[in-house]
Amino acid sequence: DAGITQSPRHKVTETGTPVTLRCHQTENHRYMYWYRQDPGHGLRLIHYSYGVKDTDKGEVSDGYSVSRSKTEDFLLTLESATSSQTSVYFCANGRDSWDTQYFGPGTRLTVL
Amino acid sequence: AQSVTQLDSQVPVFEEAPVELRCNYSSSVSVYLFWYVQYPNQGLQLLLKYLSGSTLVKGINGFEAEFNKSQTSFHLRKPSVHISDTAEYFCAVSEGGAQKLVFGQGTRLTINP
Repeated sequence: DAGITQSPRHKVTETGTPVTLRCHQTENHRYMYWYRQDPGHGLRLIHYSYGVKDTDKGEVSDGYSVSRSKTEDFLLTLESATSSQTSVYFCANGRDSWDTQYFGPGTRLTVL
Repeated sequence: AQSVTQLDSQVPVFEEAPVELRCNYSSSVSVYLFWYVQYPNQGLQLLLKYLSGSTLVKGINGFEAEFNKSQTSFHLRKPSVHISDTAEYFCAVSEGGAQKLVFGQGTRLTINP
């Protein structure tokens, strides 16, 4: 158990509002990831981090930003939410970039 | 670039029957391979992984997978499934030095009584 918590677990918001999702790990794993999961698309990587203040884009990064000011926290921000960002968001961490990732319970986001 | 193809989006089987979930990947270098399982309304958890060594890998809950380099496959098998195996299964691949895993689209396994 890699000890990942995500908050909030559920959120409903309106189009155009900013939204921040939080991922917290209890380990000191170097790597952290944000994914979105949508029917028919599986898991798609949004952004990832390979250290404090070190982040990079994934395959679906448009409309999202991330920050990692501490090893244990990785924030995902939707600057201006759109209905297409309605999804389930998962955070994951890992000790090594090529090895096992451990997933949080997910956040269900609905943008009306 | 790496890619992963899960050949079946849905697999229905009867309880106590064997099952195989197929996964093929494309990569020009050595790879590491994973199967994850996602139970309803939960996050993903690791089922098994291949890093090196024996090509037959055993995982949790009676699952096993075989790495076939010549066919670039990593199919997941279980000889006798249970209702509790109902879940979505994801195959993933990474390359040495890569910063991330690449996931397949997932296979939904449905067990009928």
